[in-house]
Amino acid sequence: EAGVVQSPRYKIIEKKQPVAFWCNPISGHNTLYWYLQNLGQGPELLIRYENEEAVDDSQLPKDRFSAERLKGVDSTLKIQPAELGDSAVYLCASSRGQMDEQFFGPGTRLTVL
Amino acid sequence: GENVEQHPSTLSVQEGDSAVIKCTYSDSASNYFPWYKQELGKRPQLIIDIRSNVGEKKDQRIAVTLNKTAKHFSLHITETQPEDSAVYFCAASIGGYQKVTFGTGTKLQVIP
Repeated sequence: EAGVVQSPRYKIIEKKQPVAFWCNPISGHNTLYWYLQNLGQGPELLIRYENEEAVDDSQLPKDRFSAERLKGVDSTLKIQPAELGDSAVYLCASSRGQMDEQFFGPGTRLTVL
Repeated sequence: GENVEQHPSTLSVQEGDSAVIKCTYSDSASNYFPWYKQELGKRPQLIIDIRSNVGEKKDQRIAVTLNKTAKHFSLHITETQPEDSAVYFCAASIGGYQKVTFGTGTKLQVIP
């Protein structure tokens, strides 16, 4: 069984530029999560999807961050415009349901210059 | 919201010794406590978890204990090996993975 796939693995951009991250969850997993992990910290939930519905986006900075999961499978997280403080690893995770173990992808390491 | 504190932030042990990582949580409604291992540059992976209806759980060299009254839980690794070297995160949530709050991590170094 293939794991959670994320791309790109690394991204370097200048501040004020837009950036997008893509995630393909494990097949059959209805729940998808986006986390932010700063260096030396634990992951912090940004948004959780149940199928195509964003059921918890309370921690998503909506002025610059957006996400979508149009067909309830893969998902995109976007930042526009990026700020220096957005440099971090963006992790995607998926699970069969909210009560099931979540599996993390390898993450996208974003550096904003 | 939930707040999870984790100690120590770094831990060095000799190979074969035991390692203990401690966490406290603030929300008494939390009832699920997973532990993750994250090797350098890799993804977090679940290594063990415990639910609030259980006080202790063991899986080979790894065990977790939970004290609901004091709102703290611990990870115990016995007979440590160099491959146990990683960052370990505790976490707490209410009802599964709806909203998992992670601790700040413990960097464990096992010295051969």
